[in-house]
Amino acid sequence: KNQVEQSPQSLIILEGKNCTLQCNYTVSPFSNLRWYKQDTGRGPVSLTIMTFSENTKSNGRYTATLDADTKQSSLHITASQLSDSASYICVVSRSNDYKLSFGAGTTVTVRA
Amino acid sequence: DTEVTQTPKHLVMGMTNKKSLKCEQHMGHRAMYWYKQKAKKPPELMFVYSYEKLSINESVPSRFSPECPNSSLLNLHLHALQPEDSALYLCASSQAGGRRPQHFGDGTRLSIL
Repeated sequence: KNQVEQSPQSLIILEGKNCTLQCNYTVSPFSNLRWYKQDTGRGPVSLTIMTFSENTKSNGRYTATLDADTKQSSLHITASQLSDSASYICVVSRSNDYKLSFGAGTTVTVRA
Repeated sequence: DTEVTQTPKHLVMGMTNKKSLKCEQHMGHRAMYWYKQKAKKPPELMFVYSYEKLSINESVPSRFSPECPNSSLLNLHLHALQPEDSALYLCASSQAGGRRPQHFGDGTRLSIL
């Protein structure tokens, strides 16, 4: 069973609207949680990284939250743009472990 | 532009061919990774090099052979691949130590005929 679950699997939103992606994890011991954006045919690009003590992190129109007690994270996209169309992947790292636990990703499609 | 450079971007090869994928980074990172990614799936870890030494091999078939000639370069030698090996092969690098953020290249799209 995957230790990182993302929802929804995909979503379609209109340009200018907001959306929120969810990530639940069971990875332990927890080190940090990262959100990556992956455009079609490109490698993943890091958006945010949060450790246990951080509960929110912003990067432009992207805001990630983390609740380490409930092991949940969200990624909020504000005022979406066509260029936000991509797969968003939640990745959790264990302490001192090179191996990452990847979620299956949420595919976001922004339409004009 | 990505700070991890992978070449070639696309590769088509037959099952009897021998080819190599290359990855280069100049960020001073001492950990480098190979991942395999199938369509609409997350990346799967194949190999990890730390300080130019292989530290993780995720039970990858021997037809994939990694090589780390120096701290900036990572190669993946391919031989006798199967059609199911067709995928996007991603290279990543990070500072040494498992908690460090990994920086990904744009990958090599590999097709096996």
